[in-house]
Amino acid sequence: DTAVSQTPKYLVTQMGNDKSIKCEQNLGHDTMYWYKQDSKKFLKIMFSYNNKELIINETVPNRFSPKSPDKAHLNLHINSLELGDSAVYFCASSQGGQGGDTQYFGPGTRLTVL
Amino acid sequence: AQSVTQPDIHITVSEGASLELRCNYSYGATPYLFWYVQSPGQGLQLLLKYFSGDTLVQGIKGFEAEFKRSQSSFNLRKPSVHWSDAAEYFCALRAYNQGGKLIFGQGTELSVKP
Repeated sequence: DTAVSQTPKYLVTQMGNDKSIKCEQNLGHDTMYWYKQDSKKFLKIMFSYNNKELIINETVPNRFSPKSPDKAHLNLHINSLELGDSAVYFCASSQGGQGGDTQYFGPGTRLTVL
Repeated sequence: AQSVTQPDIHITVSEGASLELRCNYSYGATPYLFWYVQSPGQGLQLLLKYFSGDTLVQGIKGFEAEFKRSQSSFNLRKPSVHWSDAAEYFCALRAYNQGGKLIFGQGTELSVKP
């Protein structure tokens, strides 16, 4: 009974391809996030959704498009992949979008663009 | 601008020794503060968090952290390190009214010598 799950765990693809990463949470949370962890392990917010509504879009290229079909799912679609997109992408969720709410993280998806 | 600094990129301690990981933040008020741990190939797990009240916070796995407003610090401590504590540790803050995003420090990699 994984709380936040992501698929796939690894993704290797060629430059220029389009790929998607899926995220699901079974915690009943209202808010979901995407973070990117670069090769130096630095973590940065990309997007946040609250009840399927986009809350944060942190100057991410528009090749990245999040989609939230319902509040338990937040998928990330990436068009025209570039070498610099290689990273680990983490999905997270929290009960609300403020305060001391704990964000629960998924196991990550390691994307390698060749 | 809000930021988090972890001055130590890598720390090595002997098993059984005490540990202190440093975290300094920049924010105009008292933020919500978090420590997460990331084991190799895993997602992030919350160790502890601070948002008000007692400035000494207890967490899981025997960790504690102390919030010091005068020093803008939130250092993580453990009295006796176990080999299984070897991991990457991240300090993070959450600012008010910014959609719940976490702002992470650069991380500190902890190695444990037998």
